[in-house]
Amino acid sequence: GESVGLHLPTLSVQEGDNSIINCAYSNSASDYFIWYKQESGKGPQFIIDIRSNMDKRQGQRVTVLLNKTVKHLSLQIAATQPGDSAVYFCAENRWRGNNRLAFGKGNQVVVIP
Amino acid sequence: DAGVIQSPRHEVTEMGQEVTLRCKPISGHDYLFWYRQTMMRGLELLIYFNNNVPIDDSGMPEDRFSAKMPNASFSTLKIQPSEPRDSAVYFCASSFISSREVRETQYFGPGTRLLVL
Repeated sequence: GESVGLHLPTLSVQEGDNSIINCAYSNSASDYFIWYKQESGKGPQFIIDIRSNMDKRQGQRVTVLLNKTVKHLSLQIAATQPGDSAVYFCAENRWRGNNRLAFGKGNQVVVIP
Repeated sequence: DAGVIQSPRHEVTEMGQEVTLRCKPISGHDYLFWYRQTMMRGLELLIYFNNNVPIDDSGMPEDRFSAKMPNASFSTLKIQPSEPRDSAVYFCASSFISSREVRETQYFGPGTRLLVL
């Protein structure tokens, strides 16, 4: 059987520090991006989204930055808390006219108390 | 708001048995998505519906998998016969497009953890 699993990039961060999670996308036509958080044993939860006509969007303790020139998306979490420990996925809408999303592989964030 | 509801939350079955997973999307949402998540392949889109009509089922692994959406508030994903390699977490998600604002945000259910022995 298969024994090699998906090795997610892991970010270990001290509680109280800021976290930055990065995501590269490949389709320059993508016009909508979302960050999801998935805690162990749960479904992905919406965190924040951004449209391609924006460079930055802020939420509560989170900021999403979009660099269309290099097709890069990042999620910044301020004052990281233990409850922020999770896998974070970026997703993009590549298909105009429908709601389909393409998901990245995910980034594991581990908060050290 | 109850969110997306999935049942059962856990399912253990034996190889060869039929498995039916159920999903109730958020009321008013007109898109419904079925995903499978495994350690090997991450989150994979299996099929999605718009206004109860299947739009793209290219992600469905093989003929053993089928999905239906008989009405706007209910969908099923069926595996018959099930195999050990079908063991995964299956998520349902829903979203909508409003007349004033296009919102592609998908809201996920808690998932069904399937183990096929």
